Amino acid sequence: DGGITQSPKYLFRKEGQNVTLSCEQNLNHDAMYWYRQDPGQGLRLIYYSQIVNDFQKGDIAEGYSVSREKKESFPLTVTSAQKNPTAFYLCASSNRDRVPEAFFGQGTRLTVV
Amino acid sequence: GEDVEQSLFLSVREGDSSVINCTYTDSSSTYLYWYKQEPGAGLQLLTYIFSNMDMKQDQRLTVLLNKKDKHLSLRIADTQTGDSAIYFCAEADDYKLSFGAGTTVTVRA
Repeated sequence: DGGITQSPKYLFRKEGQNVTLSCEQNLNHDAMYWYRQDPGQGLRLIYYSQIVNDFQKGDIAEGYSVSREKKESFPLTVTSAQKNPTAFYLCASSNRDRVPEAFFGQGTRLTVV
Repeated sequence: GEDVEQSLFLSVREGDSSVINCTYTDSSSTYLYWYKQEPGAGLQLLTYIFSNMDMKQDQRLTVLLNKKDKHLSLRIADTQTGDSAIYFCAEADDYKLSFGAGTTVTVRA
């Protein structure tokens, strides 16, 4: 089955620790994205990558880092510099089709205590 | 996102039509989308419309686009309890998708 997989579904970390969220896709998509979702604020773009070894900051990149060493994988690290990291994180991918449809993973809920 | 605006809540009776509205600011958007999110899950694409279209119908879903006013709407006919979810409007500029805050639709019996 083709799809996009995020892991883990729930993640708890102590304040001050870095944490890495996994995102893997087997759809052969060129582009991958990370969004953060907070209640009543919709989805805000953190980082996106259009090709391997290249990525761009989104609207709220501060306190986050990413890498794109493989086409299939786009991990997101939430660093201790992120002031309010507790949120629902969504990864998505899309291709250069005639309709650039984004496919989403099931999300990771990060809670920092 | 600040470029896409939606009302936050909609309550509708089962069997009635739901209309969810959205305004956007980027006139260069090529595609506009409606996504559905059920609790604790990712987003699922419901439908999309190309910017040179005015209307698109897909079974119970009708999308209307007023490009002059930058207004997009989604009508769900014969709303069912399974339609209870958050609905996001999104615009695409090349690779980048910008989302509204989402409209929480509650279907009551």
